[in-house]
Amino acid sequence: GAVVSQHPSWVICKSGTSVKIECRSLDFQATTMFWYRQFPKQSLMLMATSNEGSKATYEQGVEKDKFLINHASLTLSTLTVTSAHPEDSSFYICSASLGVAREQYFGPGTRLTVT
Amino acid sequence: AQSVTQPDIHITVSEGASLELRCNYSYGATPYLFWYVQSPGQGLQLLLKYFSGDTLVQGIKGFEAEFKRSQSSFNLRKPSVHWSDAAEYFCAVSVNNAGNMLTFGGGTRLMVKP
Repeated sequence: GAVVSQHPSWVICKSGTSVKIECRSLDFQATTMFWYRQFPKQSLMLMATSNEGSKATYEQGVEKDKFLINHASLTLSTLTVTSAHPEDSSFYICSASLGVAREQYFGPGTRLTVT
Repeated sequence: AQSVTQPDIHITVSEGASLELRCNYSYGATPYLFWYVQSPGQGLQLLLKYFSGDTLVQGIKGFEAEFKRSQSSFNLRKPSVHWSDAAEYFCAVSVNNAGNMLTFGGGTRLMVKP
C-alpha cells in the first residue's frame, strides 16, 4: 500500500515553454501533498505544501507564479513549471500523506531538463 | 529552526563490511528522526524512524539506527553491507511524529566495493 506515482518520469522541454508534472496517490486518499526539488548531488528542498481543495503554501524563495500547484482531488496534485528556463532543470519529487500530521510517501521523481 | 548535518558526503565500503552513516541534528525540542534511502533516479524509501522509547530502532533491509540525545546524533548502521545497498542516504528531522515538515540532511552517497 501507500504507492505514489509521478508522470512523466523524465521530460525535456524548450526554454520558454511550460511543463506539467502529475503526482498521484494510487491506493490512498492524500489530503496533503508536498513538492520537493533536488539538484544533482544535493538534498531535497521543500517547495510547497498543498492540501486538497485549497491553495498551496509555498516555501520562502519559491515563486508561486512560476511553479503552479493544483491539488484538485484527493489522489492528484500537479506542478506546472511555467516559462521554463535552463536553471529550472532539476529532479522534482512529490510526496503524499493522509493528512497534515501523517507520514509522507514519496513518488519516484521527475527529471526535468530545459534546453 | 531545525537543521540536519550528514558529515560524510561519500562513503565507500567493501561488500560484507559493516557500515555506519553519521547524522547530527539541531532542534530545540524532542526530535522525530528518520532515515531514507534513494536509489539513482528514484524517490525516497523510508528505512526507519525514531519517535520515542527504545533508542535503538530497527528498520527494513537490516538497517538500524541509534538515537543519542547527548550527542544529538542518529547514526545509521548495518552489520554487513550488500552491493544492492549502494545508494544515497538521507537523514531527516521533523517537527512532529508523522514525518511532516521534514528537514533533510545533505545526504551520504554509499558505494560498495565487490
